[in-house]
Amino acid sequence: DGGITQSPKYLFRKEGQNVTLSCEQNLNHDAMYWYRQDPGQGLRLIYYSQIVNDFQKGDIAEGYSVSREKKESFPLTVTSAQKNPTAFYLCASSSGVWTEAFFGQGTRLTVV
Amino acid sequence: RKEVEQDPGPFNVPEGATVAFNCTYSNSASQSFFWYRQDCRKEPKLLMSVYSSGNEDGRFTAQLNRASQYISLLIRDSKLSDSATYLCVVNPGGAQKLVFGQGTRLTINP
Repeated sequence: DGGITQSPKYLFRKEGQNVTLSCEQNLNHDAMYWYRQDPGQGLRLIYYSQIVNDFQKGDIAEGYSVSREKKESFPLTVTSAQKNPTAFYLCASSSGVWTEAFFGQGTRLTVV
Repeated sequence: RKEVEQDPGPFNVPEGATVAFNCTYSNSASQSFFWYRQDCRKEPKLLMSVYSSGNEDGRFTAQLNRASQYISLLIRDSKLSDSATYLCVVNPGGAQKLVFGQGTRLTINP
C-alpha cells in the first residue's frame, strides 16, 4: 500500500539529547514537509523540501535540522537547541505545487 | 493578520443539524484550498479540495469566495462520527507551501 510512514509513534528522550524522527513515503511525491502541533494548536511548518538535496526553512526551524538525500526519505532531527521540543510531529508529502498533502501517523515526542 | 484564520469554536450541535464553518485567507493570489479533518491525537486527513465552482461530496459542500477571500464548509444531516477538528488549508502559491488554519472543533451531540 502506498503511504507515508513515520517512526517511532512515541519517543521519549532526556533533555539535552538530539533525536531523529523518521519519515518515509512510497507515493513518489516530490514535496515533503515537517509540521509541529502543540495541544490545542494548529500545525506549524518546520521545514519543507521540493526536491532531493534541497530544503527550506519554515516558520519555526530554529533547533531543528533535516536532510533530503533520497526522494523517499525526509528525516527530522530535533536538537538540544530546541527550547520546547515536546510536541506531536507530523510529516507530509505532496506530488507537486497546488496539490493536496498526505500525512503520516505522526510521532509524539516527549522530552523529560 | 494571519495567513489563514478560522473560528476555533467549539461548535456543539445536535445530531441531524446543519453546520457551517468559514475560513478567511490573506493572500489574494492563493490558488488551492482544502479542508482536512483531524480526529483527536491523530493525523489530519484530506476531507475535500475546494474548487472555484464549489464542490459537493455527499453531506459535505465546500465553497470558495475569491472576492471576499474565504472558503466555507457545510455539513448537512450531521452524524456523531463527524465530531472532529476541521482544518482549513491554503496554498498561497510560490514554493509549494501549505498554510494551515488553527482548526475548528466540532462536537455532534446525540
